[in-house]
Amino acid sequence: IAGITQAPTSQILAAGRRMTLRCTQDMRHNAMYWYRQDLGLGLRLIHYSNTAGTTGKGEVPDGYSVSRANTDDFPLTLASAVPSQTSVYFCASSESGGSTDTQYFGPGTRLTVL
Amino acid sequence: GQNIDQPTEMTATEGAIVQINCTYQTSGFNGLFWYQQHAGEAPTFLSYNVLDGLEEKGRFSSFLSRSKGYSYLLLKELQMKDSASYLCAVMDSNYQLIWGAGTKLIIKP
Repeated sequence: IAGITQAPTSQILAAGRRMTLRCTQDMRHNAMYWYRQDLGLGLRLIHYSNTAGTTGKGEVPDGYSVSRANTDDFPLTLASAVPSQTSVYFCASSESGGSTDTQYFGPGTRLTVL
Repeated sequence: GQNIDQPTEMTATEGAIVQINCTYQTSGFNGLFWYQQHAGEAPTFLSYNVLDGLEEKGRFSSFLSRSKGYSYLLLKELQMKDSASYLCAVMDSNYQLIWGAGTKLIIKP
């Protein structure tokens, strides 16, 4: 059982380049999330999806886009990367997105934008 | 605005007990979560409280007071492997998790 996988593990990217972070879960969870984690700050929600075919904006969505074509995959795209997007990105999933849901996290992608 | 406060860092001794506090101000409340995160790894779920009181799970316990906007995580019989960051998160009225910055717990032998 893999749970949630993310790719790549780490990436160094030139500013202005386009980048897609991949996230796949095999738990058949309906809800998926993208967070960024920066030193001294809590996890911040970028985008989420409560079910396949729907997405929503979180606290810090600017500069990022997502799609949810099926239950398992939830890619995050940076259309034109900027240095302030240097961060560790975590994908997470939960059964339904409801109040008692536990979110399960992938191993993260460490992204550096130069 | 929404705010979750927890100490930045704490130090404790192996075998001892430590209490990590979390206070919150959020728009709505649908439960409070504690996660553990070892350096360079993903957060992993520890506990969930939605009603006032103490939830015990082995060496870890979590307490909630909704009227005070307060929770704590209690770790007993500390082991070196408990060295990690502990993240407090509150689910708000939109069912989104609002996260504290985390408390780095250092365990000394």
